[in-house]
Amino acid sequence: EAGVTQFPSHSVIEKGQTVTLRCDPISGHDNLYWYRRVMGKEIKFLLHFVKESKQDESGMPNNRFLAERTGGTYSTLKVQPAELEDSGVYFCASSLVGTGGISPLHFGNGTRLTVT
Amino acid sequence: LAKTTQPISMDSYEGQEVNITCSHNNIATNDYITWYQQFPSQGPRFIIQGYKTKVTNEVASLFIPADRKSSTLSLPRVSLSDTAVYYCLVANFGNEKLTFGTGTRLTIIP
Repeated sequence: EAGVTQFPSHSVIEKGQTVTLRCDPISGHDNLYWYRRVMGKEIKFLLHFVKESKQDESGMPNNRFLAERTGGTYSTLKVQPAELEDSGVYFCASSLVGTGGISPLHFGNGTRLTVT
Repeated sequence: LAKTTQPISMDSYEGQEVNITCSHNNIATNDYITWYQQFPSQGPRFIIQGYKTKVTNEVASLFIPADRKSSTLSLPRVSLSDTAVYYCLVANFGNEKLTFGTGTRLTIIP
């Protein structure tokens, strides 16, 4: 089974530019999450999709961040315009909708974003 | 969400059993305890999950006392490849908004 894939693995952009990160979840996983770790901080939740619907976007830092999941398959996270403090590693994760306990989240290897 | 506390770092020699304890005093009735492992330049990887007593899989064991205010991840006969950061998390079904703490950086010494 293919894991969660993220593209690109690295991105270096200038302040004010736009960047779009992509996440392909494991096939059949309705849950899709975005997390990020900014320098020196802990991994923080950004948002959660169930299929194409945003279930919880309470972790999105501001309106410069836009996440989409058209058709309930892959997801994109756009940062526009990027600021220096957006630098960090952005992780995507997916899971099945479980019937008990917590369905384990399967994480991708992340996109390292550097804003200069 | 229940807050977790775990040691910042631990060292162990190859071949030994490693136990990492996590405190979660405010765990709720419907919370589960989950452990993830993270290697450099990779995303966190699920290791094990439990609600109470003991859970064992091919990778680790998880011990949870009756009051559920703590849990212990046990890694048998560690090798150099077990060097990683280990995160203890609590969450409940329907709220998979995981809260990662600082984790425990485990270093295995040859």
